[in-house]
Amino acid sequence: ETGVTQSPTHLIKTRGQQVTLRCSSQSGHNTVSWYQQALGQGPQFIFQYYREEENGRGNFPPRFSGLQFPNYSSELNVNALELDDSALYLCASSLDSSSISGANVLTFGAGSRLTVL
Amino acid sequence: KQEVTQIPAALSVPEGENLVLNCSFTDSAIYNLQWFRQDPGKGLTSLLLIQSSQREQTSGRLNASLDKSSGRSTLYIAASQPGDSATYLCAVQGDAGNNRKLIWGLGTSLGVNP
Repeated sequence: ETGVTQSPTHLIKTRGQQVTLRCSSQSGHNTVSWYQQALGQGPQFIFQYYREEENGRGNFPPRFSGLQFPNYSSELNVNALELDDSALYLCASSLDSSSISGANVLTFGAGSRLTVL
Repeated sequence: KQEVTQIPAALSVPEGENLVLNCSFTDSAIYNLQWFRQDPGKGLTSLLLIQSSQREQTSGRLNASLDKSSGRSTLYIAASQPGDSATYLCAVQGDAGNNRKLIWGLGTSLGVNP
């Protein structure tokens, strides 16, 4: 059984650029959530994908977008990067259902650290 | 709006001490509460998950309790070791829909000195 893997682990971008972060969910999991963690802060929920559809969104602007693929892997895209987008981006997968509240045990990846200059 | 607070923000103890980390939340209508560990610059490791109907969970030297009515959880670490040094984060999860997102505290940074 593999865990959650994220790529790249580190990257540096400049303001105005676009970035794509990738996440492979744990085997058997069908739900992926993305979180942003700024330095010294707790993670903030960006959005969640369940069966390739967005299933909840936090307080982030539309330039934060995502995708989930049929194999349940996911991408986080951020357009028009700003300095404040510098953070650790965490992906978590879980086995979830839209109709019930399951155990929702989240398995986190190691994160992608984005620096915007 | 759910808010999660963790006290203390930082803690430094000698090896071998038993210690308690505190987490409080403002809305008692939660589905579960989870404790995570985060090492510097790393991702998150789930330590314990307590469903809203449960009072406590134990894993090795760790014990987490939940008092939903008072909006409090504690993480008890017995016989602390230098390897326990990390940031410990508490997160609560609501029920269906958008409330399923985790709401996090800022964490307690723990240092265990040999």
